[in-house]
Formats: sequence, C-alpha cells, structure tokens
Amino acid sequence: IAGITQAPTSQILAAGRRMTLRCTQDMRHNAMYWYRQDLGLGLRLIHYSNTAGTTGKGEVPDGYSVSRANTDDFPLTLASAVPSQTSVYFCASSDISGANVLTFGAGSRLTVL
Amino acid sequence: GQNIDQPTEMTATEGAIVQINCTYQTSGFNGLFWYQQHAGEAPTFLSYNVLDGLEEKGRFSSFLSRSKGYSYLLLKELQMKDSASYLCAVRDSNYQLIWGAGTKLIIKP
Repeated sequence: IAGITQAPTSQILAAGRRMTLRCTQDMRHNAMYWYRQDLGLGLRLIHYSNTAGTTGKGEVPDGYSVSRANTDDFPLTLASAVPSQTSVYFCASSDISGANVLTFGAGSRLTVL
Repeated sequence: GQNIDQPTEMTATEGAIVQINCTYQTSGFNGLFWYQQHAGEAPTFLSYNVLDGLEEKGRFSSFLSRSKGYSYLLLKELQMKDSASYLCAVRDSNYQLIWGAGTKLIIKP
C-alpha cells in the first residue's frame, strides 16, 4: 500500500536521551516534511526537504536535525530530548506540482520525561 | 504576523448541514487547503481553493474569498463518521503552509 510509514508509533524516553524518528515513503515524492502537533496549536513545521540531498529549517527547528540521503527516507533526530519536545510528530510528503497536496504518515507520539 | 483563525469546536446533528469558517492573515496567498483529521489519526486532504468561489466535492464544499481573507468548509448530510477535526491551512508567498489550530466537529444523533 503506497504511503508513508513512521516509526515508532509511540515512545517514552528520558530527558537528555537521543532519539530518531523514522519516516519512509514509497510514492517517489520530491518533498518531505516533519511537523509537530500540540493541543490548541496548528501544525508547526520543524524541517523540510524539497529534494534528496537538501534540507531546510521550518518554524521550530531548534533541538532537531534531519537528513535526506535518498528520496524515500527522512529521519528526524532529537539530539538531547527535553520535556517541551513531548508532542505528536507527523512526517509528510508531497509531489511538488499543481496543488502540492501533503500526504501524512500516521504519526509518532513522543513523551519526554 | 501570520494568523489563521477557526472556531475551536462546533456541534451539529446527524443529517444536518454545518459550515466551518476560516479567516486568515498571511504574507501573500498561494492557495488554501482543508484537511480532515480523525482523533489519533493523520490529517487527510479534503479540498484546495486558489481562486475565489465554491469548489464542490460530494457532500463537502469549500468556498474562498481572497479579498476578505475568508474561507468556509460546508458539510452536508452529516454522518457520524464526519466527527473529526477540520484543519484550515494557507500557503503564503514563500510557499510555506500556515496552519490553523483546527475545528473539532462533534456530530450528535
């Protein structure tokens, strides 16, 4: 089934630990994105990549890093997790053409204690 | 600053019609999107408006007025499965998406 796979679905980790959220798409979309969703707030863009080999900072990039070694994978790393990074993280992708509609993964719920 | 405003929560009755409004103030405009998000799930695309007017897609319609910075999503013949959050997003002049906080729609029998 074509789409986006995120892992893990849910994770609890201690503050200060390193964590990588994985994201893989099989739609051959050029662009990929990482958002966080917090109660009462709109989706906020963390990092994005318009094509393999390039990345850019979104609205809330501090404390996060990404890489885009190939078209399909776009992992998000928290180098040293803090409680304010407790959130639901969504990976998304789009084919940069026409309306540029986003397709989202199922999300990763992260709790930092 | 850039801002998207939507009501936090709305309640409607099964079989009825509901209109969810979205007003925006952004740096430029390159399209407005509506997404549906069921609790605990990913957002899914509903509609896209870039020109003024009404776009109809089955039971769902979306309207845009660029001069007023205003859009609405109209849901007809409401079904229980329409209970979800509805997210409004605007693409600005830098082609970045600005998201509203979403409107939680509760459908009652």
